[in-house]
Amino acid sequence: EVQLVQSGAEVKKPGESLKISCKGSGYRFSRYWIGWVRQLPGKGLEWMGIIYPGDSDTKYSPSFEGQVTISADKSIDTAHLQWSGLKASDTAMYYCARFVGSPDTFDLWGQGTLVTVSS
Amino acid sequence: EIVLTQSPATLSLSPGERATLSCRASQSVSRSLAWYQQKPGQAPRLLIYDASISATGIPARFSGSGSGTDFTLTISSLEPEDFAVYYCQQRGDWPVTFGGGTKVEIK
Repeated sequence: EVQLVQSGAEVKKPGESLKISCKGSGYRFSRYWIGWVRQLPGKGLEWMGIIYPGDSDTKYSPSFEGQVTISADKSIDTAHLQWSGLKASDTAMYYCARFVGSPDTFDLWGQGTLVTVSS
Repeated sequence: EIVLTQSPATLSLSPGERATLSCRASQSVSRSLAWYQQKPGQAPRLLIYDASISATGIPARFSGSGSGTDFTLTISSLEPEDFAVYYCQQRGDWPVTFGGGTKVEIK
């Protein structure tokens, strides 16, 4: 089965670091871009950035560049999203999704990882 | 950054009615526009790409149209499972952006 499976929910304190994961299966993981999308509570979708696991080429949204780090390990078919110093405003659901170039859409989504940052 | 404006924010309709959702881009994205459906507690699902091409497994009642800056998602006859939030997304230019969403609710 073609799927993306994300790591479980996290509860962290402000200032802590965090790395969440997204593991692909059922397809050639290294040949498709993986994107990360944030959804604040009760709000819409925000594109954070994408990575090509084959060579780790990464593109960030200007809104998120410098705030998060996107990485991938093609040997284990996994992409990561990490923070070095969480803020309460990072509380959100984070989705990974497979990004297919031409037509440049997200055709396969993970189930989401809920990150809660609270003191 | 290309801004996508969706309207209306909320659409109140009854099952069986026709739904027409709009997505307007701040500059031309050609036909590089997609539509997604999101139900509560679920990840988004791709419905339409390249403005009018249905994704695999999407019922025929969903259709998309438009090009340039104005796009429409039409649901010809609403089924109970269609009540959800719908988002448009463009890749006419980087960065990728999403619209703010239209909630289709039961009247």
